[in-house]
Amino acid sequence: GQQLNQSPQSMFIQEGEDVSMNCTSSSIFNTWLWYKQDPGEGPVLLIALYKAGELTSNGRLTAQFGITRKDSFLNISASIPSDVGIYFCAGFAGGTSYGKLTFGQGTILTVHP
Amino acid sequence: KAGVTQTPRYLIKTRGQQVTLSCSPISGHRSVSWYQQTPGQGLQFLFEYFSETQRNKGNFPGRFSGRQFSNSRSEMNVSTLELGDSALYLCASSLTGDNQPQHFGDGTRLSIL
Repeated sequence: GQQLNQSPQSMFIQEGEDVSMNCTSSSIFNTWLWYKQDPGEGPVLLIALYKAGELTSNGRLTAQFGITRKDSFLNISASIPSDVGIYFCAGFAGGTSYGKLTFGQGTILTVHP
Repeated sequence: KAGVTQTPRYLIKTRGQQVTLSCSPISGHRSVSWYQQTPGQGLQFLFEYFSETQRNKGNFPGRFSGRQFSNSRSEMNVSTLELGDSALYLCASSLTGDNQPQHFGDGTRLSIL
C-alpha cells in the first residue's frame, strides 16, 4: 500500500536552532498535512498544503508541497522548548480515498534549553 | 468552538470481550474517520463515515466495525478483543472528508489484559 517515508526519525537540538524534516512517497498525493502530537493527546494540525509548489507559513513554521507531489518539507525556525513533540506528515492520495489520511512514521523532536 | 470529543479516555478489557468507543465530531463536520495508533505500526486508518454511510475502510479484520448516527456522532466497536488490539484509537472529523484537514480528538487508550 501507499507509504510515507518521514525523516529524520528523531532530532536533538538546542533552543534557538532551526529544524527541518521531510516526507517522501513513491506515489502522488493531492494534499499534504503536518501535525504535532504531544504525549497523551491527539495530533494537532499545523499546516495544510493543497497545490504542488505551495509554500505556507504558520508563525515559525514553514511547509512546502513538493512540485512532484511526492514530497513535502516542514521547517521550524528558532526552536523553543514547547516545540518538543512528535511531528507527523500526512497526505490524501485522492481518488476514492475518502477520509483516509496516510501518515509518516513521525519525527521525535527534543529541544534542549 | 468545541473540538472532537472521544469517550472514554481510558479502557481496560480482557481478551475475548468487546468494546465500544464513541466520538463526537466538531459541530458541522459530517465526516468521521477512525485510526489506530501503536508504537510499531504508527497511525493506521480504520474506516470513514459520512452521512451514516461507510465510504472507506482500511485493512483491519471484520472484528472492527463502526457506525455513524444522524447527528454525525460515530461509534466504533471491536469484538473478541485480542492482546494486539491494545492501542490508542483516534477519531478525526472534517466537513466532508474530501481532501480536507482532519481534526483529531485526544483518543481512547485501550489496554487488553
